[in-house]
Amino acid sequence: KAGVTQTPRYLIKTRGQQVTLSCSPISGHRSVSWYQQTPGQGLQFLFEYFSETQRNKGNFPGRFSGRQFSNSRSEMNVSTLELGDSALYLCASSRDSSSSYNSPLHFGNGTRLTVT
Amino acid sequence: AQSVSQHNHHVILSEAASLELGCNYSYGGTVNLFWYVQYPGQHLQLLLKYFSGDPLVKGIKGFEAEFIKSKFSFNLRKPSVQWSDTAEYFCAVNPLSGNTPLVFGKGTRLSVIA
Repeated sequence: KAGVTQTPRYLIKTRGQQVTLSCSPISGHRSVSWYQQTPGQGLQFLFEYFSETQRNKGNFPGRFSGRQFSNSRSEMNVSTLELGDSALYLCASSRDSSSSYNSPLHFGNGTRLTVT
Repeated sequence: AQSVSQHNHHVILSEAASLELGCNYSYGGTVNLFWYVQYPGQHLQLLLKYFSGDPLVKGIKGFEAEFIKSKFSFNLRKPSVQWSDTAEYFCAVNPLSGNTPLVFGKGTRLSVIA
């Protein structure tokens, strides 16, 4: 069974640009969550999608957005990039939605975004 | 807001030493509890989880964790660490009421030296 796949693995962008990250969940998983990982801050929740609907959103500005497609694949978009957006962006999938985590999250390897 | 506290930012141990990593959470209701591990260059993976029942849960690679409800704690333990346990460890809590996502602690970096 293939794991969670995130593309691209690395990205370098300049301030003001926008970026789109992609995540393909494990087959059969309908929930996709996105986290931002930075040294010292750990994992901070961005948002969760379940069956194409945003179920939850973290405390990030509106520049961060996402969507989920009918095949459960998800994309995350960050517009008007800032230096502070440099981080590892992790996608995780699970069978259930966040309101009933009887199945744990399965993480991808992440996309390392560097903003210069 | 719910929070998860991992008190140790970086722990350095010699091989064969015993390990205990602290995790406390602030949510008062029913929770699911997790420990995830991130080995260098690898993705986060589940180490162990607690949903209900026996508060002492065993995970992979000899790790175990004890849920103490009265202390809102879920500490991770291993009797004898190995060099290969060098990794970052994250505690995570999922409050079961409300539409609340999984909340992670800031992580504890474990360095095991020979």
